[in-house]
Amino acid sequence: AQSVTQLDSQVPVFEEAPVELRCNYSSSVSVYLFWYVQYPNQGLQLLLKYLSGSTLVKGINGFEAEFNKSQTSFHLRKPSVHISDTAEYFCAVDNTDKLIFGTGTRLQVFP
Amino acid sequence: GAVVSQHPSWVICKSGTSVKIECRSLDFQATTMFWYRQFPKQSLMLMATSNEGSKATYEQGVEKDKFLINHASLTLSTLTVTSAHPEDSSFYICSARVPRLAGGETQYFGPGTRLLVL
Repeated sequence: AQSVTQLDSQVPVFEEAPVELRCNYSSSVSVYLFWYVQYPNQGLQLLLKYLSGSTLVKGINGFEAEFNKSQTSFHLRKPSVHISDTAEYFCAVDNTDKLIFGTGTRLQVFP
Repeated sequence: GAVVSQHPSWVICKSGTSVKIECRSLDFQATTMFWYRQFPKQSLMLMATSNEGSKATYEQGVEKDKFLINHASLTLSTLTVTSAHPEDSSFYICSARVPRLAGGETQYFGPGTRLLVL
């Protein structure tokens, strides 16, 4: 069965510092990969997605992610975070017509 | 584009009553909609997949008679929590997408509905 692992439940970081949120997935076949962000009491907003092609994917709000097939990873990065990036981030995989979500990573940006 | 709305945004009801939550795709036709449940500080759990004009497919462990799903049009799906009890209190989120052959690999999410059953 598909699974998604987000090893870090919380990532504290100071404003303007770089950040990486880790995501690993288990699949022996091609998958679609997604990162979503959830602000308090809101739904999920799509940050970026990997479907095929270039392994470096750029998304909204300055985020990017790199698909690494050999390591089955899809880590999310931002070179300089803002206070407004404080939120919950979910990695998800889709290859059977459903989204399987990781447990989420809480990014807390401090001034 | 790709906006999904939910109504209501939050609802409080008495135990034993039924609650209906609407999910609408505002600027696209969604042949497939999904209903998720999210507990505090946890991830999303898929409850059911709803295809327009057909019966919903429920995930294992989800009671179909308790969580009634109707997807009568390409822009509207409803989730009715029947005879709600306090343990049904949760954050319910829907998502929608176009047919996969039309580029529908991405799900677009609604803002969620917070249900509190007293």
